[in-house]
Order: sequence, then structure tokens, then C-alpha cells
Amino acid sequence: KAGVTQTPRYLIKTRGQQVTLSCSPISGHRSVSWYQQTPGQGLQFLFEYFSETQRNKGNFPGRFSGRQFSNSRSEMNVSTLELGDSALYLCASSFTGSGEQFFGPGTRLTVL
Amino acid sequence: AQKVTQAQTEISVVEKEDVTLDCVYETRDTTYYLFWYKQPPSGELVFLIRRNSFDEQNEISGRYSWNFQKSTSSFNFTITASQVVDSAVYFCALSEAGSTLGRLYFGRGTQLTVWP
Repeated sequence: KAGVTQTPRYLIKTRGQQVTLSCSPISGHRSVSWYQQTPGQGLQFLFEYFSETQRNKGNFPGRFSGRQFSNSRSEMNVSTLELGDSALYLCASSFTGSGEQFFGPGTRLTVL
Repeated sequence: AQKVTQAQTEISVVEKEDVTLDCVYETRDTTYYLFWYKQPPSGELVFLIRRNSFDEQNEISGRYSWNFQKSTSSFNFTITASQVVDSAVYFCALSEAGSTLGRLYFGRGTQLTVWP
């Protein structure tokens, strides 16, 4: 069974640009969550989608948005990038959200 | 409020030593789930274990064991006979069955270094 995949693995952007990250969950999983990991703040929850609906959202500004498609694939978008958005972005998939959550390899975003 | 505390920021041991990573959690839900993840230098979070709040039975998987005690709100992780490949950051996490279902609350992690 294929694991969670994330693309791209690395991104370099400049301030003010926008970026879209993609996550493909494990086949059959309907819940996808996104996390931001930085040395200063640790692992912080961005949002969670289940069956194309955002079920939970963390404390991030509106520049961070996401969506989930009918095949459970998910994208997150960050608009008007700031230096502080440089981080490792991880997505996790699970069957329902309460079960085991499996993480992808992450997308490392660098904002210059 | 939900909170996960991993008081040990860094631990160093020599190979073959046993090591215990501590995790203390706070939640108001009666139904919740506890997790441990391993993050090697590559960055990917590797799932190790999930326990639900109604199952306090300790678990052993090879050199890994977990001690869940609701009375002290702790979910500690022990590695027996540590190996260099165990070097990584270990995260404890909490998920609730209520309105925040699907969201993991992570501790700050414990950096484990195992020296040969």
C-alpha cells in the first residue's frame, strides 16, 4: 500500500508570492490534516479535511487555506508569503481522523 | 485545554542502555487518543503507536514499550537496549474524540541521541 505523498518536496519562494502544496493520502483514507513545523513553534495544526469538508482549523491567518477533492487528495495554499512562513509542511492521512494518522515526507518551504 | 508536555528536551545515552521518554497530557475529554511518533533527520514523522483512553494496558513491541497511566495523565515510552538507529526526535501527541477530532496536539519533542 502506497504511503502519503507530498509534492513538491522542496520549494523556494520570495516574499509576497503564493504557493500551493499537494498531499495524496493513503488509498481509502478520507481524513487529511496539515501541520506546520518550525524550530520555534514546533508542530502546529493548520486544518483538517474529511470528505471534502473542513472539519477543524488551527490558529493561522486567512492567508493559509486548503481544500480537499473527491478523491481525498488535498491542497493547501499560502498567499502573500512572509519570511515566517518558512517551515516544513506535513500532511497526515487517516481513515476517519481518530485512527492512526500517517504522515507524508513533508514539503520544505523557504521564503526569501 | 488540551496540552502535551515532554519535559525532556534532549537525552543522550550510550548504545544498549535503556531510555524512557516522558509524556504528560491534559484534556477534558473522556475519550481521547495518545500517539508517539519518531522523526529521523529525514523529517518524516513515523507512526509508532496509538492508544485510546479506555485501554490502559501497557504494550510492548520488540524493544519498544509504552506505559499508559490515566491516574497521572502520562504515556511514557521506553526503548530497551537502545541502538544508534534510535537517534531521532520523538513526539508524543493527543487527539480528542470531540469537536477537535482529527487534530493532533503535539508536545515539543525529545531529541534522543544514542552514541556507539
